[in-house]
Amino acid sequence: KQEVTQIPAALSVPEGENLVLNCSFTDSAIYNLQWFRQDPGKGLTSLLLIQSSQREQTSGRLNASLDKSSGRSTLYIAASQPGDSATYLCAVGGGGATNKLIFGTGTLLAVQP
Amino acid sequence: NAGVMQNPRHLVRRRGQEARLRCSPMKGHSHVYWYRQLPEEGLKFMVYLQKENIIDESGMPKERFSAEFPKEGPSILRIQQVVRGDSAAYFCASSPTRWGDNGYTFGSGTRLTVV
Repeated sequence: KQEVTQIPAALSVPEGENLVLNCSFTDSAIYNLQWFRQDPGKGLTSLLLIQSSQREQTSGRLNASLDKSSGRSTLYIAASQPGDSATYLCAVGGGGATNKLIFGTGTLLAVQP
Repeated sequence: NAGVMQNPRHLVRRRGQEARLRCSPMKGHSHVYWYRQLPEEGLKFMVYLQKENIIDESGMPKERFSAEFPKEGPSILRIQQVVRGDSAAYFCASSPTRWGDNGYTFGSGTRLTVV
């Protein structure tokens, strides 16, 4: 059974700092992996999608990497801003008939001005 | 493109009443997924539907919960005889393909409170 873990559970950094969020999964047979952000009381905003054949994806100040063999993905945020404060969720698509997403528990990020 | 639309945003029901949650997928998306986020817990898969078909309902409680995605109109998640433990945020996601090759787009969710 696939399990997805995110470390740390919470993180507080000063504005401008570069940071890394970690996601690990127990079954390397994934179809894709998607990073989301969730603001309090709001829905999920997709940040980056990595297919199982890819190693990384970049969008602006965000870079996500994927190492299937070790069951890990990282989300790198460069030059953090207070507007980056949110919960970041990692979700693994297991493929198969439905490719339903298995979510991690999230990292709550606070960027201090 | 208005994105994935869910309504209502907030829903309050008394114990024993029925709750109906609606999800209109993005234009051109025929694959709909429902997820539930219980307080202090992560999002959990409930059900996956295509037009007029339930493909995978392995995450849905066996009793009181049902889902549909008719040929016309939104997908509906229906909870009969709600209990306090049903209080949660319910999210809908849609995709143009079965395996989310372009990722999944989520709605803003319906927050159900059972009093």
